Amino acid sequence: GQNIDQPTEMTATEGAIVQINCTYQTSGFNGLFWYQQHAGEAPTFLSYNVLDGLEEKGRFSSFLSRSKGYSYLLLKELQMKDSASYLCAVTAGSYQLTFGKGTKLSVIP
Amino acid sequence: ETGVTQTPRHLVMGMTNKKSLKCEQHLGHNAMYWYKQSAKKPLELMFVYSLEERVENNSVPSRFSPECPNSSHLFLHLHTLQPEDSALYLCASSQDGSRSNYGYTFGSGTRLTVV
Repeated sequence: GQNIDQPTEMTATEGAIVQINCTYQTSGFNGLFWYQQHAGEAPTFLSYNVLDGLEEKGRFSSFLSRSKGYSYLLLKELQMKDSASYLCAVTAGSYQLTFGKGTKLSVIP
Repeated sequence: ETGVTQTPRHLVMGMTNKKSLKCEQHLGHNAMYWYKQSAKKPLELMFVYSLEERVENNSVPSRFSPECPNSSHLFLHLHTLQPEDSALYLCASSQDGSRSNYGYTFGSGTRLTVV
């Protein structure tokens, strides 16, 4: 089976750095995705990790440790528009992405 | 607009009604998906179609019936739903399944309320 855990909610200050953690236990592993979802909108792709290490893309970075079943999404220089839910998802088969419950991030002034 | 269009955006239906949700993708992808998103629950995969053939069906009640007439269109037919079926229904598409480095492209969803 698949189990993905991430915090339910986080709050951070504009301009700060926030790290959203994700742990997973899956039967098989092909890769890990992070998605951003604003309220009432479609989830949008942020990052994909298949190998251990850090992938940096502008203000967002994602880290993966396959041996620990652990990933994090790092958001730097937070902006108000970063307030959204962040979804961790793992792929273990050809077609199935399994999602965590998502972390609702609130950015405050 | 993400390249995946869902209609309607909002739907209210009675438990005896029959309705259909529509999804259209303009990305040339070969796989399409229906997901259900309920409050405080993870996205739940309902159906997967690859090259117009259903490849996965995750124990979804028969009151939900998918249809994929071609690789660009996906429908979800609804009948005799229950109030607990109220949720956001998301359509997604991908190239070459979940092995793609870009994962899925999601539509904005249909917010369904069953009364």
